[in-house]
Amino acid sequence: DQQVKQNSPSLSVQEGRISILNCDYTNSMFDYFLWYKKYPAEGPTFLISISSIKDKNEDGRFTVFLNKSAKHLSLHIVPSQPGDSAVYFCAAPTPLTSGTYKYIFGTGTRLKVLA
Amino acid sequence: DAMVIQNPRYQVTQFGKPVTLSCSQTLNHNVMYWYQQKSSQAPKLLFHYYDKDFNNEADTPDNFQSRRPNTSFCFLDIRSPGLGDAAMYLCATSTRTGGYNSPLHFGNGTRLTVT
Repeated sequence: DQQVKQNSPSLSVQEGRISILNCDYTNSMFDYFLWYKKYPAEGPTFLISISSIKDKNEDGRFTVFLNKSAKHLSLHIVPSQPGDSAVYFCAAPTPLTSGTYKYIFGTGTRLKVLA
Repeated sequence: DAMVIQNPRYQVTQFGKPVTLSCSQTLNHNVMYWYQQKSSQAPKLLFHYYDKDFNNEADTPDNFQSRRPNTSFCFLDIRSPGLGDAAMYLCATSTRTGGYNSPLHFGNGTRLTVT
């Protein structure tokens, strides 16, 4: 059962325009979400997060929106730059009996920003 | 810079020949994770350590084992690799006490090929 879903495997956007990457989740117990960015031949790096007590979090060109009733979040990149071309993963932590957290990832969306 | 380092970056092994992947960290994080990622799929948690406490995911094959001799190092042993074990293996760390505000820090991964 895929609890975190990214239904768009790829997205192409012109440089300077807005990129919108979407993520849906099924587990209503999730209360925190993260976005990771992955370049080829590198590990994922943390980009931005949002708590379920908020509906928006902004960090420079990156904004994440959360719609809890729809179990949907989106990452907006404005303006998009060629260096943003990467795979973006949505993730949600869920508590483990060990006292730490297990991060459940989506399948990723490959963003290509065209110069 | 504090980081998570995985060796080797690329590993080729023969069907059934044991292989060990390594991960080291200078972040002094108490939690270490091993994820398996196959092409176009979400990273899948295999197991994690909180300090020296080992926690196996229920669906992790018995063929996979792990060792954490100290805080800095963690190893993934695949006893008898099959063709289906070809994947990118990602090591990640976090601090348990950081909770949700402690995102995962990933290494650059080891891409395993089984011939």
